Amino acid sequence: NTGVTQTPKFRILKIGQSMTLQCTQDMNHNYMYWYRQDPGMGLKLIYYSVGAGITDKGEVPNGYNVSRSTTEDFPLRLELAAPSQTSVYFCASSKGQGYLEFFGPGTRLTVL
Amino acid sequence: AQKITQTQPGMFVQEKEAVTLDCTYDTSDQSYGLFWYKQPSSGEMIFLIYQGSYDEQNATEGRYSLNFQKARKSANLVISASQLGDSAMYFCAMREKDSSYKLIFGSGTRLLVRP
Repeated sequence: NTGVTQTPKFRILKIGQSMTLQCTQDMNHNYMYWYRQDPGMGLKLIYYSVGAGITDKGEVPNGYNVSRSTTEDFPLRLELAAPSQTSVYFCASSKGQGYLEFFGPGTRLTVL
Repeated sequence: AQKITQTQPGMFVQEKEAVTLDCTYDTSDQSYGLFWYKQPSSGEMIFLIYQGSYDEQNATEGRYSLNFQKARKSANLVISASQLGDSAMYFCAMREKDSSYKLIFGSGTRLLVRP
């Protein structure tokens, strides 16, 4: 198992551009999460999924969309990038209650 | 209301000494889990230790131990014999018993170990 992988590692976007952050896990975890981490802060939940085809909003979903067509993949879409979306984005997965949450290495996004 | 509170934005500790990082939490659930993660300057999230709300013993993992005081709703991380490599951000997090099993994070404590 390679765990949780994220691509790209770094990206600079211009205001109004769109992009998709990719996240893949090979541990057959049902639960997957997208968090953002602003400088000097903890992680905040953007969206989560409890299984293929099922997604729901977290604490800070505005400006983002997700899909979960397979157990392995959970991409995060930014449609109209704004400077407020400059952050580090972490994808994570777990088996659920009582199980450890595994984090990807993160994607550092800057919107100029 | 803050669910996880870490009141120490930054701390210093001398190498080889012990240090306690504070964490208090707020929940009405009886079943929940408490986690500590380390985030070095490279940015990855490294799991350190876990405490379940029904665990009677404080969790320990090597040099890390969790001082769990349920009545006070605190879950402090104790690092013994600090090493230079312990310099990092430390996050306390809680998982409540809801359908998402998501983690709720505190704002973190930056620990700097002095040689």
